[in-house]
Amino acid sequence: EVLLVESGGGLVQTGGSLRLSCTTSGFSFSSYSMHWVRQAPGKGLEFVSSINSNGGGTYYANSVKGRFAISRDNSRNTLYLQMGSLRADDMAVYYCARHSNYEGTYDSWGQGTLVTVSS
Amino acid sequence: DIQMTQSPSSLSASVGDRVTITCRASQSISTYLNWFQQKPGKAPKLLIYAASRLQSGVPSRFSGGGSGTDFTLTINSLQPEDFATYSCQHSYRSPWTFGQGTKVEIK
Repeated sequence: EVLLVESGGGLVQTGGSLRLSCTTSGFSFSSYSMHWVRQAPGKGLEFVSSINSNGGGTYYANSVKGRFAISRDNSRNTLYLQMGSLRADDMAVYYCARHSNYEGTYDSWGQGTLVTVSS
Repeated sequence: DIQMTQSPSSLSASVGDRVTITCRASQSISTYLNWFQQKPGKAPKLLIYAASRLQSGVPSRFSGGGSGTDFTLTINSLQPEDFATYSCQHSYRSPWTFGQGTKVEIK
């Protein structure tokens, strides 16, 4: 069974930092590109960042570029999102998602982790 | 970035109804269009990929169509478990973007 489990969310002050983790199992992690997608309360889904299978290529939404950094450890089957200079509009549930080449989109998602930014 | 616009934002329907949701892209995306279902407090679930291909395990009452800029998601004979929010998403090029979602509520 494919499993993605996010952790690391919580309450942080404006301007603070947080690192999210996505621990995976049930598939060959090193073969897949991985993404972070977020959803602010009551809002739609928003792409945040992606990383290719070997970690050599990354992409960021303009809204987080220069503040967030995505990385992965294929030996630990784990995806990370280092978030810095957090703002009120970063408050959201953050999901990690697997990019399937077959479907050409996200075929598996974690349950999400909530990031709350408070002044 | 490519903008995705869904309509309507919400709708009320009864069990057994046929429901159609539309999604429009700000530029042509061929058939790089996907549909997700999301229930409160849960992660999204892939229903349709490549505009019209049904994801494994998804009931056949769900169908998708369209190409270029205009797409539809149709649910034939709405079931109680189908009341949820549906979002379109393009995967034509980075960044992949989503529509704002359509909430399907019980009439």
